Amino acid sequence: QLQLQESGPGLVKPSETLSLTCTVSGGSIRSSSYQWGWIRQPPGKGLEWIGNVFYSGSAYYNPSLKSRVTISVDTSKTQFSLKLSSVIAADTAVYYCARTDCSGGSCRFDPWGQGTLVTVSS
Amino acid sequence: QSALTQPPSASGSPGQSVTISCTGTSSDVGGYNSVSWYQQHPGKAPKLMIYEVDKRPSGVPDRFSGSKSGNTASLTVSGLQAEDEADYYCSSYAGSNIWVFGGGTKLTVL
Repeated sequence: QLQLQESGPGLVKPSETLSLTCTVSGGSIRSSSYQWGWIRQPPGKGLEWIGNVFYSGSAYYNPSLKSRVTISVDTSKTQFSLKLSSVIAADTAVYYCARTDCSGGSCRFDPWGQGTLVTVSS
Repeated sequence: QSALTQPPSASGSPGQSVTISCTGTSSDVGGYNSVSWYQQHPGKAPKLMIYEVDKRPSGVPDRFSGSKSGNTASLTVSGLQAEDEADYYCSSYAGSNIWVFGGGTKLTVL
């Protein structure tokens, strides 16, 4: 059973770079049917897609965050990572990693990691 | 890309049916069948309930169903149960490897 687990600092200072890693276990990260994504949820608010990465390393981002986001994959470690630069208080959120399963011709986010709260504060 | 539009809240009594809408545009919901729905209980990660508009993953009760007409997708929960009380989010592919979520609907079982 595929499982995803986020890890990284829970507190980041304004203007610094937020860095998170998602470790994938119980399955392979190498498949053209899957993408690996990050989604965030500010406290009390809705979900926001941040971006996805293919195992090849090609990445796609939410246009509203594109200038500050980098998502990369390390297939040897079955991990993928998120970097969000120049953070502000509004970037405070629970950050989830999820597999984007595109098998069968349509795509969906499944499964999800448990999420990790990142607070931006000095 | 703008967020998909969902009603902030919905409610129903146990045993009743409730439908939650998700309105987008021809560039997302109306243009693709990659519409999915997620259930989120407080403090928990979202869980996939419906994908490809109307397909249920293994283990999801058949009380949950999905449909789409034009630029609006819908999630219907029949035979409401107390454990269905949660937040529900829709999501759609929006082309060019871009994804968009709805703002979420809080479902209350009265």
